[in-house]
Amino acid sequence: KAGVTQTPRYLIKTRGQQVTLSCSPISGHRSVSWYQQTPGQGLQFLFEYFSETQRNKGNFPGRFSGRQFSNSRSEMNVSTLELGDSALYLCASKNGGSTDTQYFGPGTRLTVL
Amino acid sequence: QQQVKQSPQSLIVQKGGISIINCAYENTAFDYFPWYQQFPGKGPALLIAIRPDVSEKKEGRFTISFNKSAKQFSLHIMDSQPGDSATYFCAASKSSNQFYFGTGTSLTVIP
Repeated sequence: KAGVTQTPRYLIKTRGQQVTLSCSPISGHRSVSWYQQTPGQGLQFLFEYFSETQRNKGNFPGRFSGRQFSNSRSEMNVSTLELGDSALYLCASKNGGSTDTQYFGPGTRLTVL
Repeated sequence: QQQVKQSPQSLIVQKGGISIINCAYENTAFDYFPWYQQFPGKGPALLIAIRPDVSEKKEGRFTISFNKSAKQFSLHIMDSQPGDSATYFCAASKSSNQFYFGTGTSLTVIP
């Protein structure tokens, strides 16, 4: 099976712009979670989608949003980018149960100038 | 507020030695505690995980020790190898499927 794929791998944006990141889960996985990884904060949970519905949400401002399509692919959008949004954005997929193994993608490195 | 606290931030161990990374949590509702290994340029990969009904789980050279009363758990890497050099994250989850991660430990194993 192919692993979790994320596109693009690298992005450079300027403050005030918006960005959309894409994640394709492992075939058959219905849960997709998004994380922000920074050197100081580690991995912080953004949100989880399961069967096209947001099931859980972390403590991020409304500028961060996401959605999931019927084929389980997910997108994450960040509007009005700030310098502090520079980070590695990871998505992870799993079957859906609470203890199912999460499989992470390689991440999208976002740099905001 | 950091739900899971991890230490140390970095660790240097000689080849063949034991690497020990510690994590502590506050929320007694957590019921699943995985450890992840991350190499540069890669996403984290599940290494080993434990549930609070057992005090220890071993898989090869990797062991999780779990102390429910102290709300602490640790990862022990026996016979550490240079290939183990990576960043390690502990995490905790409750049945809501939301995972909370520690801030990571950068492990360097010196040949």
